Amino acid sequence: DAMVIQNPRYQVTQFGKPVTLSCSQTLNHNVMYWYQQKSSQAPKLLFHYYDKDFNNEADTPDNFQSRRPNTSFCFLDIRSPGLGDAAMYLCATSSIGRGGYTFGSGTRLTVV
Amino acid sequence: GQQVMQIPQYQHVQEGEDFTTYCNSSTTLSNIQWYKQRPGGHPVFLIQLVKSGEVKKQKRLTFQFGEAKKNSSLHITATQTTDVGTYFCVFSGGSNYKLTFGKGTLLTVNP
Repeated sequence: DAMVIQNPRYQVTQFGKPVTLSCSQTLNHNVMYWYQQKSSQAPKLLFHYYDKDFNNEADTPDNFQSRRPNTSFCFLDIRSPGLGDAAMYLCATSSIGRGGYTFGSGTRLTVV
Repeated sequence: GQQVMQIPQYQHVQEGEDFTTYCNSSTTLSNIQWYKQRPGGHPVFLIQLVKSGEVKKQKRLTFQFGEAKKNSSLHITATQTTDVGTYFCVFSGGSNYKLTFGKGTLLTVNP
């Protein structure tokens, strides 16, 4: 089945130690998104790619970066994780003009 | 900027009771989507509404888009324990492919 896959499902990292979260899709969607969701809150958009064009939200900290080497893969890099970055990170994809997003299962990041 | 309010924030019902969540926008929306997120899960797309006054049904779920395209509702008839989760309205904030989530309504169902 076509889907969005996030690895790992759970990630523990040390304070200040760079960490990378990955997302892959088999849907061939041209838009990929990264959302941050903290407990009992709505997902918050960090950035998205429309094909290779990167779009950063104005309030996304510089600590967060992203790479999309090809249509299928997208990475979220957190350069120096702080305790406040502990959250669920959700990857999503969409195809313009074709309805809703498809979300991956998320990566729950713990910072120790 | 565009303001969308989703109410209520929480709703607890007895199994078999009905449930409704509302989204209200300060500006006209091009479309609105609804998602369900189970506890510990990820958001799952339910439906997209585009037309003024549109009403769509999925089994016990009824979705409405207001005539002025400024409000929307999700109604669940005769709730079941499987309906538990957070329901989000999601709308286009500017770009038609960049969606913003409402704050969500957490539904709990007492069996």
